[in-house]
Amino acid sequence: GENVEQHPSTLSVQEGDSAVIKCTYSDSASNYFPWYKQELGKRPQLIIDIRSNVGEKKDQRIAVTLNKTAKHFSLHITETQPEDSAVYFCAAKMSLDDMRFGAGTRLTVKP
Amino acid sequence: DSGVTQTPKHLITATGQRVTLRCSPRSGDLSVYWYQQSLDQGLQFLIQYYNGEERAKGNILERFSAQQFPDLHSELNLSSLELGDSALYFCASSEGSTETQYFGPGTRLLVL
Repeated sequence: GENVEQHPSTLSVQEGDSAVIKCTYSDSASNYFPWYKQELGKRPQLIIDIRSNVGEKKDQRIAVTLNKTAKHFSLHITETQPEDSAVYFCAAKMSLDDMRFGAGTRLTVKP
Repeated sequence: DSGVTQTPKHLITATGQRVTLRCSPRSGDLSVYWYQQSLDQGLQFLIQYYNGEERAKGNILERFSAQQFPDLHSELNLSSLELGDSALYFCASSEGSTETQYFGPGTRLLVL
């Protein structure tokens, strides 16, 4: 079936450094790409999203880029802080309306 | 608080049993989605309802079923439970079928 692949599975950075998480998707009809942050034992929370008619979107320290031709999108977190530590999930809305999630990236920001 | 509510918060049951999980979407949202998250795993999409009708189906087992009622709340029924069904079950809602999904707090199911 249609898939979303996410890399890396774990990422450890020093506080203040940048973190980049990459995802690829297979359904060329996908048109909506959200990113969720999930802290331990809590619900996934939307942190940023992008639609297929836009190449880049930024919200303070968080940015997402989309390359439709290559079918990949990335999350960029700058000036990381310990409270950014969590599991991050990318997702892509498939042509049949179902949302497919990546396997997640466990980000650890070391103080 | 996303505005999506789920009950119960925790559920412990035995193999072979049947349980019902309940979700109330945000006010005004017509779509409800169900996801399963096993320990340290990703989010597996199960099923979506839009305004009472099934809209999309993911990796939902035949032992599982769901429905959305006229007041837009949804229930996920899990039957003939197995140990491997132990997981966090999340419900999410969105205004339509293409908008942002907001997740509820989840129901943690433990099958013993």
